[in-house]
Amino acid sequence: QSVLTQPPSVSAAPGQKVTISCSGSSSIIGNNHVSWYQQLPGTAPKLLIYENNKRPSGIPDRFSGSKSGTSATLGITGLQTGDEADYYCGTWDSILGAGWVFGGGTKLTVL
Amino acid sequence: EVQLLESGGGLVQPGGSLRLSCAASGFTFTNYAMSWVRQTPGKGLVWVSGISGGGGATYYADSVKGRFTISRDDSKNTLYLQINSLRAEDTALYYCAKNFRYSSDYYDYWGQGTLVTVSS
Repeated sequence: QSVLTQPPSVSAAPGQKVTISCSGSSSIIGNNHVSWYQQLPGTAPKLLIYENNKRPSGIPDRFSGSKSGTSATLGITGLQTGDEADYYCGTWDSILGAGWVFGGGTKLTVL
Repeated sequence: EVQLLESGGGLVQPGGSLRLSCAASGFTFTNYAMSWVRQTPGKGLVWVSGISGGGGATYYADSVKGRFTISRDDSKNTLYLQINSLRAEDTALYYCAKNFRYSSDYYDYWGQGTLVTVSS
């Protein structure tokens, strides 16, 4: 069982918007930056959002991140079939000393 | 261009050992923390171990403490993971990942992974 909780799956139609939540304790998410990773089928994870809401160069602004209290959220607008992937949140556990922790992952299906 | 290339995976019997390697290029390796993250087929990402830039500090998940040893050779731009007393539950794809700067920072680059299979 992951320290960070994500919904196992979400789905939406092309062009629609979807959000993926990542919840944890106030000591973990509340005190540390959250990052998000996209893993397309059969490939390595790729950084999507860092420091809660920043996008690396090359990531379209259809992807956004936010954090409030003990939860972080990844938003994707204008869904495309190419967005079908697993999405993971992660953060450094500076309180319990468990190192890096990831959510269990959310599979996005674009119907 | 940052590149991370893992190697050393394979089929090993329970109780056996392996040393995984990650050859890095495209950045000043010694200045950056690095980690190993594993993924069982069809499952999620699990952080295994991390090491600071220069190697002064190491970190391990509780599940691997005492069996795994992370190290780095900055002269060779290579990260290692020595895995001993392998168990079936260690079967996974092992990714090498670069931290943005420090061990607590996000992962900005990932390798393609090397597969470790533990089976008799």
